[in-house]
Amino acid sequence: DGGITQSPKYLFRKEGQNVTLSCEQNLNHDAMYWYRQDPGQGLRLIYYSQIVNDFQKGDIAEGYSVSREKKESFPLTVTSAQKNPTAFYLCASSMWASSYNEQFFGPGTRLTVL
Amino acid sequence: DAKTTQPNSMESNEEEPVHLPCNHSTISGTDYIHWYRQLPSQGPEYVIHGLTSNVNNRMASLAIAEDRKSSTLILHRATLRDAAVYYCISGAGSYQLTFGKGTKLSVIP
Repeated sequence: DGGITQSPKYLFRKEGQNVTLSCEQNLNHDAMYWYRQDPGQGLRLIYYSQIVNDFQKGDIAEGYSVSREKKESFPLTVTSAQKNPTAFYLCASSMWASSYNEQFFGPGTRLTVL
Repeated sequence: DAKTTQPNSMESNEEEPVHLPCNHSTISGTDYIHWYRQLPSQGPEYVIHGLTSNVNNRMASLAIAEDRKSSTLILHRATLRDAAVYYCISGAGSYQLTFGKGTKLSVIP
């Protein structure tokens, strides 16, 4: 089945540690995205990538880093510089970054920093 | 991105139609209107999108006002599985989708 996988579903880390969230898609999509969702809130864009080896900052990129070395993969690293990293993280992809392409979302990773 | 305004919550009886409103009074001529929905602890799911004309698909219908300043998502027969948060988004590029708080739809059996 085609889709987006995120792992792990739940992740616990100690304060001050970097952590990398995985996102893989087999939809052959060019564009990929990372969002953050806090309880009772909407989604906020962290980073997006329109093509391999290229990515752009979204609205809340500070304290996060990404890479896009392969079309299928777009890992997100939450660094120790992120002041409040506990949140629900969602990865998405679309055929390309345009105004009419629907985004397909993964199941999300819930990160808790202790 | 054009800002959208939606009611915080709505209720519907099962098997009745549901009309979810959205105002986007600052929308530009090239902004599409997108609707997504999200079940608890899951990623959002695409529902429908449109530009000017009304749109139908297997999940829902989208009615867009003639001046494009508002739209309505129509679920023709609500089921318990339709209980979710519904997001109305307008934007010029899919990477610019801004998800607000949406409308929490409750379906009463």
